Amino acid sequence: DIQMTQSPSSLSASVGDRVTLTCRASQSISTYLSWYQQKPGKAPKLLIYAASSLQSGVPSRFSGSGSGTDFTLTISSLQPEDFATYYCQQSYSTPTWTFGQGTKVEIK
Amino acid sequence: QVQLVQSGAEVKKPGASVKISCKASGYTFTSYYMHWVRQAPGQGLEWMGLINPTGSTSNNAQKFQGRLTMTRDTATSSVSMELSSLRSDDTAVYYCARSTGYNSGLDYWGQGTLVTVSS
Repeated sequence: DIQMTQSPSSLSASVGDRVTLTCRASQSISTYLSWYQQKPGKAPKLLIYAASSLQSGVPSRFSGSGSGTDFTLTISSLQPEDFATYYCQQSYSTPTWTFGQGTKVEIK
Repeated sequence: QVQLVQSGAEVKKPGASVKISCKASGYTFTSYYMHWVRQAPGQGLEWMGLINPTGSTSNNAQKFQGRLTMTRDTATSSVSMELSSLRSDDTAVYYCARSTGYNSGLDYWGQGTLVTVSS
C-alpha cells in the first residue's frame, strides 16, 4: 500500500504569513494527489486536485505543486479562516485511496 | 445545488452491524463515483471504499475486506454502506463523498454520521 506522510504535523503561523505544507508518497503517484481543508466538526473541503488544479470557488492564495513522490500546498497569505487541519490524499493506487495524517495550522 | 444527505447517528453494540445511507441530489447521480471516509474521534481521515457510478463494482481498503458492503440505488439516487462485526475502534464519524473519477478529488461531502460502538 502507498503511504502518505505529511509534515509538519502542526505549525503555528500568523495572519499574512506564507505557509508551505508538505506531503510525501512512499512511491511515485504521478500527480494523483488532492488536498483538503477540515475545520472542527465539519466535513473536509476539497482545495486542490491533480496536484495543482484549484477547485472551483477556492481562493487563489491556495496553490499546489509537485509530482512523483513530493508535493506541497502553499497558502500565500494566511487568513484567519485558514486555521484548520489540512490533509493530502493519493488516488494513484487504484482503487485504494489513502490520506495523509494531516497538518494542523494554528494561530501564533 | 449538490447535496449529499446522510442518515442519522447510530449506537451499536460490539459485534453488531450498522447501515448508513447517503441520498444525493442536484446532479446526475450515475456520473459520479461515491466514496466512504471515516474519522475516529480526534483522529485523521481514513478512506474506506468506493462504488462506481452504475453500482456494478465496488472496492474496499484492505482492512475492511469482508466487513464492508456498499450498494447504490439509482432509482432513489442513494448509496448505502454497511459495516459488520463492529468493534469499539469503529466508533467514528462516517462520511459519503463523490468524485468524477480517479484524479478529481472528493468535491462534495455528506454532513457525516456518528456511529458509536459501545457495550
